[in-house]
Amino acid sequence: GAVVSQHPSWVICKSGTSVKIECRSLDFQATTMFWYRQFPKQSLMLMATSNEGSKATYEQGVEKDKFLINHASLTLSTLTVTSAHPEDSSFYICSARDGGGRGKNIQYFGAGTRLSVL
Amino acid sequence: GQNIDQPTEMTATEGAIVQINCTYQTSGFNGLFWYQQHAGEAPTFLSYNVLDGLEEKGRFSSFLSRSKGYSYLLLKELQMKDSASYLCAVNNGGFKTIFGAGTRLFVKA
Repeated sequence: GAVVSQHPSWVICKSGTSVKIECRSLDFQATTMFWYRQFPKQSLMLMATSNEGSKATYEQGVEKDKFLINHASLTLSTLTVTSAHPEDSSFYICSARDGGGRGKNIQYFGAGTRLSVL
Repeated sequence: GQNIDQPTEMTATEGAIVQINCTYQTSGFNGLFWYQQHAGEAPTFLSYNVLDGLEEKGRFSSFLSRSKGYSYLLLKELQMKDSASYLCAVNNGGFKTIFGAGTRLFVKA
């Protein structure tokens, strides 16, 4: 149980294009989802917290117009990297918090998306 | 401020026991988590502590002392596949779980 599916796992795109990443909680409802970014050998960097049905809360220094987050349902959140540039190349990881009876507020992570912008 | 400290790197020998320490200072507390992250992969959940004491799960155990703001992850009978980063994380009572920078564990033969 507690599976989070993230797609795509790997994407290469041209500079200036937009990329959408999907994150789904498969066997639980996630009222809160999180988007992280991670550079090689560095720690997780929280980009934004996404609550179902409301606007995402972005961390300081993260451009909300560049990283569009939508959390339209209790099982799906999407991150769109708009007008991607080479410096946006990174490993993006979503996680979903199981706030249900089983949950203990544990965050379960998707497998991550490796984005390379040429 | 909110802070989680853990060693940057540790090295241990296959078959041995290793203890990874974590200290934290957060505005609130609603649980401490340990995650394992292999290079190039996403973190996977290992353990959860909310009350003081030791939680054992197979080769892995996690300990918590809330009064000291301290936890450790104990790995027994180390295997080569245990080479990974281990992340200590604390839920501060709100929406956020704060993650430490991780401890990279190298297991040598």
